[in-house]
Amino acid sequence: QSVLTQPPSASGTPGQRVTISCSGTTSNIGSNAVTWYQQLPGTAPKVLIYSSNQRPSGVPDRFSGSKSAASASLAISGLQSEDEAHYYCATWDDSLNGAVLFGGGTKLTVL
Amino acid sequence: QVQLQESGPRLVKPSETLSLICTVSGGSISSNYWSWIRQPPGKGLEWIGYISDSGGRNYNPSLESRVIISMDTSKNQFSLKVTSVTAADTAVYYCTRDSSGNSYGHYYYHMDVWGKGTTVTVSS
Repeated sequence: QSVLTQPPSASGTPGQRVTISCSGTTSNIGSNAVTWYQQLPGTAPKVLIYSSNQRPSGVPDRFSGSKSAASASLAISGLQSEDEAHYYCATWDDSLNGAVLFGGGTKLTVL
Repeated sequence: QVQLQESGPRLVKPSETLSLICTVSGGSISSNYWSWIRQPPGKGLEWIGYISDSGGRNYNPSLESRVIISMDTSKNQFSLKVTSVTAADTAVYYCTRDSSGNSYGHYYYHMDVWGKGTTVTVSS
């Protein structure tokens, strides 16, 4: 069971807006920035959002991230069929010597 | 453009040691931090640990007793060893280049370049 909690699944129809949540604690999300990764079937994950709300070049502005206290959210507007993928949140945890934490992942289905 | 490529045995017997190498091209291993991540079949991502450009290491506490990450700057490679493997170590193993720092008062750490991954199966 992951320390960062995500819903296992989410869904939406083309054009809709969907959000995926990620809940942590004060020692991880509450203190550090959040990264969102997108993993398309059969491929390696790629960074979708870093530093909680920054998009790497090439990522459409349909994707946005936010963080408040010990929770974070990924929003996808104008949902497209190619957005069907697994989405993972991740952050640094300050406990012990520090560690990278991943959420359990959310499978997004475009209906 | 930095590229990473994992290599190593695809099949390992239980109780033996899993060994993988990540070859870095298009950039120097003497900068940045470098991690290993794994993903069991049908499951999520698990951070195994990282090695820094100066050779410092940090491991996932749940795996720390069985994991060693090393680097060979002359070959621009870093490696992973997992000892006493069981079926639970069966996974796709990814090597990554990491990026870290402070942004607006918050520490960030993320994996910005990934290898394609290699599947390792633990079975007799």
